[in-house]
Amino acid sequence: DTEVTQTPKHLVMGMTNKKSLKCEQHMGHRAMYWYKQKAKKPPELMFVYSYEKLSINESVPSRFSPECPNSSLLNLHLHALQPEDSALYLCASTITGGAYNEQFFGPGTRLTVL
Amino acid sequence: GESVGLHLPTLSVQEGDNSIINCAYSNSASDYFIWYKQESGKGPQFIIDIRSNMDKRQGQRVTVLLNKTVKHLSLQIAATQPGDSAVYFCAALGRALTFGSGTRLQVQP
Repeated sequence: DTEVTQTPKHLVMGMTNKKSLKCEQHMGHRAMYWYKQKAKKPPELMFVYSYEKLSINESVPSRFSPECPNSSLLNLHLHALQPEDSALYLCASTITGGAYNEQFFGPGTRLTVL
Repeated sequence: GESVGLHLPTLSVQEGDNSIINCAYSNSASDYFIWYKQESGKGPQFIIDIRSNMDKRQGQRVTVLLNKTVKHLSLQIAATQPGDSAVYFCAALGRALTFGSGTRLQVQP
């Protein structure tokens, strides 16, 4: 198994809703990442987990709450989002969080906030 | 921090021609660079990488060139095919991976 899976593929939510995005990999990777990608823009790093511990938070608003329950799973909990948070949310993983490691990306969750 | 830029937003080539996509980076401390391909509706897909101790690396139909003197990176695709149509991002590893703004490659049949 050499892929990163993400669910759901699409999500539409209101500004008062609470929802979660899920990411899973079974490659034995110990570093996992959340990126946000707006249309026609490059991915922007949000969070990095290394060995299930949060190692990088790129000053992301607290309405986004990451969670890494185990080495295979990464969640992103969403609460009180704004319409400008609508984007493609990408998950990625690497063998470790160190240098020279290829990042494997999932297909993303397309989020629309109404 | 790292800033990564691309020279052209869109590149249009004829099928069978060679394509060259360029990228400039700002942080001379970056020592690992990656090219990604992103097709519509999909996540970025790794194409090829290069470390700063190299100036050229070849894969299947792709070559990455690194010029550390001018902090420039390029991706060459040989015999471009319609399936190569996508957005291509360069990325540089510093504290974390920083992506360039992307070049859309359009392959004309």
